Amino acid sequence: DAKTTQPTSMDCAEGRAANLPCNHSTISGNEYVYWYRQIHSQGPQYIIHGLKNNETNEMASLIITEDRKSSTLILPHATLRDTAVYYCIVRVAGTSGSRLTFGEGTQLTVNP
Amino acid sequence: DAGVIQSPRHEVTEMGQEVTLRCKPISGHNSLFWYRQTMMRGLELLIYFNNNVPIDDSGMPEDRFSAKMPNASFSTLKIQPSEPRDSAVYFCASGDPARSATDTQYFGPGTRLTVL
Repeated sequence: DAKTTQPTSMDCAEGRAANLPCNHSTISGNEYVYWYRQIHSQGPQYIIHGLKNNETNEMASLIITEDRKSSTLILPHATLRDTAVYYCIVRVAGTSGSRLTFGEGTQLTVNP
Repeated sequence: DAGVIQSPRHEVTEMGQEVTLRCKPISGHNSLFWYRQTMMRGLELLIYFNNNVPIDDSGMPEDRFSAKMPNASFSTLKIQPSEPRDSAVYFCASGDPARSATDTQYFGPGTRLTVL
């Protein structure tokens, strides 16, 4: 699986958009970009994933650059409950080798 | 629907004792994963099963660790003998990559293990 680089920490004001970047310059053509988050003392939670098109669901939006070497997770209206560690993971999906390799992630703190 | 169930939620034991962690995956999921999380090493995969068969156990630290999945609804992770460096939060996750459009893994609440 390709290596990812994320900022160690970010702050965001409640109600504002949180934009979390991720670099994955060695991503392969068949690797997806996944985002998970881990709220303190809980198990990781899936947020969203994409291959090359931008994606949106009820939790967030994922913007992937045209060369696929980086992406941004957008939480459009951050709340205090969005305070968590956010992990960007690139991996091949839907195969028997479906491991998740977690890096250090970004600690997002949403401030009132 | 019930999510991934893990027991116990907390375990405190003394060095040298045997520890057994249990996991019940989400019904219908055919993949099961055991992860360990520590401050020093972060979240790391220990072993995963597809259709009850261990696929990759390269993350299992040493022979003291063993994992079984006797049926589709139950798995155990055993540490014998336990050591203080095994203290961590152990997560179980399940998924169904063949049928899920997202190939999502669903994590349990974890077992916090403390070895004194």
